[in-house]
Amino acid sequence: GQQLNQSPQSMFIQEGEDVSMNCTSSSIFNTWLWYKQDPGEGPVLLIALYKAGELTSNGRLTAQFGITRKDSFLNISASIPSDVGIYFCAGQGGETSGSRLTFGEGTQLTVNP
Amino acid sequence: EAGVVQSPRYKIIEKKQPVAFWCNPISGHNTLYWYRQNLGQGPELLIRYENEEAVDDSQLPKDRFSAERLKGVDSTLKIQPAELGDSAVYLCASSRGQTTDTQYFGPGTRLTVL
Repeated sequence: GQQLNQSPQSMFIQEGEDVSMNCTSSSIFNTWLWYKQDPGEGPVLLIALYKAGELTSNGRLTAQFGITRKDSFLNISASIPSDVGIYFCAGQGGETSGSRLTFGEGTQLTVNP
Repeated sequence: EAGVVQSPRYKIIEKKQPVAFWCNPISGHNTLYWYRQNLGQGPELLIRYENEEAVDDSQLPKDRFSAERLKGVDSTLKIQPAELGDSAVYLCASSRGQTTDTQYFGPGTRLTVL
């Protein structure tokens, strides 16, 4: 099936720094999604992207849907301690996966106060 | 509005034993999903229901896994018999109806098979 490569696997930053993570695929998706998962909880949707080239913001979060439809990135500006968690990208509407969500392996973010 | 409810939150069993997980989706959500999340990985879909009908169960290991969604509301996922490799977090999610609608996840059941 389709695979998503998410990087970096983990990040350790100081409070106030900006963060960038990305996701690439060997094949195209029609929708890219970014989720955050806190310990002991399920993933929560942060941003959804529906159009190639689309740039969308949600507060301090900004995400882009790559022009090739094979990649996406998520930026977090001015990080705060509550940004700690695991961030997952997910693709939907792929060539082989259809409507099924395909998740990356996640980026573990640690923010030092 | 209450979120997706799952129980139990944790389960420890010995291999070869049966286990069942229960999910109550958000009221009014017609589509229900069961995912498995292995340690250090993203969730992987096991089965998707639209109302009572399982419309995507291609990734459900049918030799030992079964699921049901009677009356199109609550759902149960069962493993019988459990194997060591089944240790994972089992997540339930629901959405209104369209496959592009936002999926809301429950907190999951963490299964440990000894």
